[in-house]
Amino acid sequence: DSGVTQTPKHLITATGQRVTLRCSPRSGDLSVYWYQQSLDQGLQFLIHYYNGEERAKGNILERFSAQQFPDLHSELNLSSLELGDSALYFCASSPRLEDEQYFGPGTRLTVT
Amino acid sequence: QKEVEQDPGPLSVPEGAIVSLNCTYSNSAFQYFMWYRQYSRKGPELLMYTYSSGNKEDGRFTAQVDKSSKYISLFIRDSQPSDSATYLCAIPGGYNFNKFYFGSGTKLNVKP
Repeated sequence: DSGVTQTPKHLITATGQRVTLRCSPRSGDLSVYWYQQSLDQGLQFLIHYYNGEERAKGNILERFSAQQFPDLHSELNLSSLELGDSALYFCASSPRLEDEQYFGPGTRLTVT
Repeated sequence: QKEVEQDPGPLSVPEGAIVSLNCTYSNSAFQYFMWYRQYSRKGPELLMYTYSSGNKEDGRFTAQVDKSSKYISLFIRDSQPSDSATYLCAIPGGYNFNKFYFGSGTKLNVKP
């Protein structure tokens, strides 16, 4: 158990809908990263927050947004969902910017 | 050029073999190097974390960094079927470590 929690574990929704994925980092970790992993694909970096501030964006679609709250938990919002958004979404946390990341168990999103 | 390149495999070896997994990277300023193991549909878990050049050993795993060649390796001795997974190298980088660069992962299968 990495100490990073993600909810929900599974999510099934229809095209055009909007969903929110939640991540609670390890206690004391200030950095939260979001990744997308499609079937048998590598990790695609989406976005990084550090202590409430956005630090870097990767290949994140405009339909996707995220935020990190004062208690350091983070949410990833996905809107106008398409079939191609079906994937595993991981969040990871780390204490400092150059430190190792600890991954949550992921949220499996299925768009039908 | 990608910041981190990794041979996707798959790599199939008999039980007990020594496995060598490798990555190359582009930026000579990178200082921290990590290896993650990911079982199918699970969150990646940190295996090894090294700083600068040299070797680091942890049980059956040895991480090696050659900064002159910009080459990192993970060796697994006495490989076991339970080692069958995808292995990802990872390097923090970007401006003030605001990004994490992951290799695409090498899929390893250890046959009993």
